[in-house]
Amino acid sequence: AQSVTQPDIHITVSEGASLELRCNYSYGATPYLFWYVQSPGQGLQLLLKYFSGDTLVQGIKGFEAEFKRSQSSFNLRKPSVHWSDAAEYFCAVEGDRGSTLGRLYFGRGTQLTVWP
Amino acid sequence: GAVVSQHPSWVICKSGTSVKIECRSLDFQATTMFWYRQFPKQSLMLMATSNEGSKATYEQGVEKDKFLINHASLTLSTLTVTSAHPEDSSFYICSASIGRGADTQYFGPGTRLTVL
Repeated sequence: AQSVTQPDIHITVSEGASLELRCNYSYGATPYLFWYVQSPGQGLQLLLKYFSGDTLVQGIKGFEAEFKRSQSSFNLRKPSVHWSDAAEYFCAVEGDRGSTLGRLYFGRGTQLTVWP
Repeated sequence: GAVVSQHPSWVICKSGTSVKIECRSLDFQATTMFWYRQFPKQSLMLMATSNEGSKATYEQGVEKDKFLINHASLTLSTLTVTSAHPEDSSFYICSASIGRGADTQYFGPGTRLTVL
């Protein structure tokens, strides 16, 4: 069965510092992977996704993620964090598009705090 | 575009009563809607998938009689928590899909349910 692990519950960085949020997945075939951001009072917003092809994917708000099959990882990165990036971040994998089309399985989330 | 609303945004009810939560796609027709439950500091857990005009498909472990889902139209799905108890207190999030893949899902802002 597909699953996602986010090892870090809470990360604190200074504004302007670089950021990396970790995500490991468990899936038998090539996974469809996603990163979402959740801010209070707002719905989850899709930052980026990986389906196939180039393993480095660019997203919105200056985020990128790299798919590493050998490590079963899909870590999210940003070179310089802004205070407005403080939020909860979720990594997710889509279930097999055959029988569980569109079903998303989420990690527990990583809370990002940004210090001025 | 692709806005999903939920109503109410928060609700407090007494134990034993039923609560209905609405999920609406405001500017598109959703082929499928999903309901998630999020516990504090934890992941979003998929509860059920619903298609307009058909019965919802519940995830393993989710009580169908407790969480009634109705998908009356392409823009409206409702989740009714029947005979609510304090353990049903949670954050309920819906998403509406405009296509077949998870990347076509748009999330509502969530409903905070507190059962006293």
